[in-house]
Amino acid sequence: GAGVSQSPRYKVAKRGQDVALRCDPISGHVSLFWYQQALGQGPEFLTYFQNEAQLDKSGLPSDRFFAERPEGSVSTLKIQRTQQEDSAVYLCASSVSTGTNYGYTFGSGTRLTVV
Amino acid sequence: GQNIDQPTEMTATEGAIVQINCTYQTSGFNGLFWYQQHAGEAPTFLSYNVLDGLEEKGRFSSFLSRSKGYSYLLLKELQMKDSASYLCAVTFWRISGGYNKLIFGAGTRLAVHP
Repeated sequence: GAGVSQSPRYKVAKRGQDVALRCDPISGHVSLFWYQQALGQGPEFLTYFQNEAQLDKSGLPSDRFFAERPEGSVSTLKIQRTQQEDSAVYLCASSVSTGTNYGYTFGSGTRLTVV
Repeated sequence: GQNIDQPTEMTATEGAIVQINCTYQTSGFNGLFWYQQHAGEAPTFLSYNVLDGLEEKGRFSSFLSRSKGYSYLLLKELQMKDSASYLCAVTFWRISGGYNKLIFGAGTRLAVHP
């Protein structure tokens, strides 16, 4: 596709419910990042994929958070037993290479509200 | 860690110039980005610096000093539409894993008033 696509755009979950957030990066992009952005804050790093390999998951807040990118394209961020503190915008970004000079393209994000 | 610091809020007048500063820890530095983010939208790319000096692009310029761990974004001829958050983001080379990790500051909310 022309850009990074994230779905759903908005998600309301009851506390304790499991959710799955999808990121469709630009075709052929090697690098894929997930970020969590709380209201009024900058994006916080969650995890990084290089193709299908998850090279860094140091930012995942707890073992309730899980991410995968099984075929090196679409990625899913799953949150189990959601809690109110999980309410945030979840951003996905991709890059054509592992270098920095090509930059990163961001999706519009998924706004998760846990009630 | 890779602390990235920038002011929380700034205000400026339409038509004026504003400078937003960003400092970061230099270890592993591999590039610095500035993004603009309007409320409810995705960050959009403004500039990229990897070498020392000034990069100019229309009304926006960005400066980098690698030795000082310092950058600034300069916005000229401010317009009301420039009211947004400005995010400083740094890529750090991660030896374990062999990749560039993109880390953001908390963002600077800029309010432009008439």
